[in-house]
Amino acid sequence: ELKVEQNPLFLSMQEGKNYTIYCNYSTTSDRLYWYRQDPGKSLESLFVLLSNGAVKQEGRLMASLDTKARLSTLHITAAVHDLSATYFCAVDYMDSNYQLIWGAGTKLIIKP
Amino acid sequence: KAGVTQTPRYLIKTRGQQVTLSCSPISGHRSVSWYQQTPGQGLQFLFEYFSETQRNKGNFPGRFSGRQFSNSRSEMNVSTLELGDSALYLCASSRLAGGGEQYFGPGTRLTVT
Repeated sequence: ELKVEQNPLFLSMQEGKNYTIYCNYSTTSDRLYWYRQDPGKSLESLFVLLSNGAVKQEGRLMASLDTKARLSTLHITAAVHDLSATYFCAVDYMDSNYQLIWGAGTKLIIKP
Repeated sequence: KAGVTQTPRYLIKTRGQQVTLSCSPISGHRSVSWYQQTPGQGLQFLFEYFSETQRNKGNFPGRFSGRQFSNSRSEMNVSTLELGDSALYLCASSRLAGGGEQYFGPGTRLTVT
């Protein structure tokens, strides 16, 4: 069964700093997703990564995928307070049927 | 374009009762997936419906069931509620089944007492 591990699970950082969230998964998969969730709110799609070496950027966030290492990273550049949220990665998993398997989430707090 | 809507937003039920939650997908989206989110277990996939058929299923007991109508709206039913069923239930819609970018609704917060 596919397992998805995120680290760190909690991250408190200062505005202006850079940091990276890691997402490891245990078996082969074709697609990886990053979502954002604000407190008390629903999930917002950030990135869909479809192939090895895929890199996508949106504002201060950049996501990459290494399917050989089964690793995705979400890099935050010059963090601002508005990026405070919980970030989830999720991976497509197919055995007898399809499931979307989620990481535990990384709660990111950015202090002014 | 209207987003995914879920009703009701909040619900309080008693153990042993049953509950039905509703989800209306984005227009043109034929796939609806349901997820349970709890502090302890995180986000877990319940099932996915596409063109009125359950296409995929997570590892939940048979008390959790669903259906999809011809207009792609979906309902999720939980029978014989347990305290552990207290959670945020999220539905998500997408154009195709079996993966791809999903758009989430605001969720239904279910509390079982």
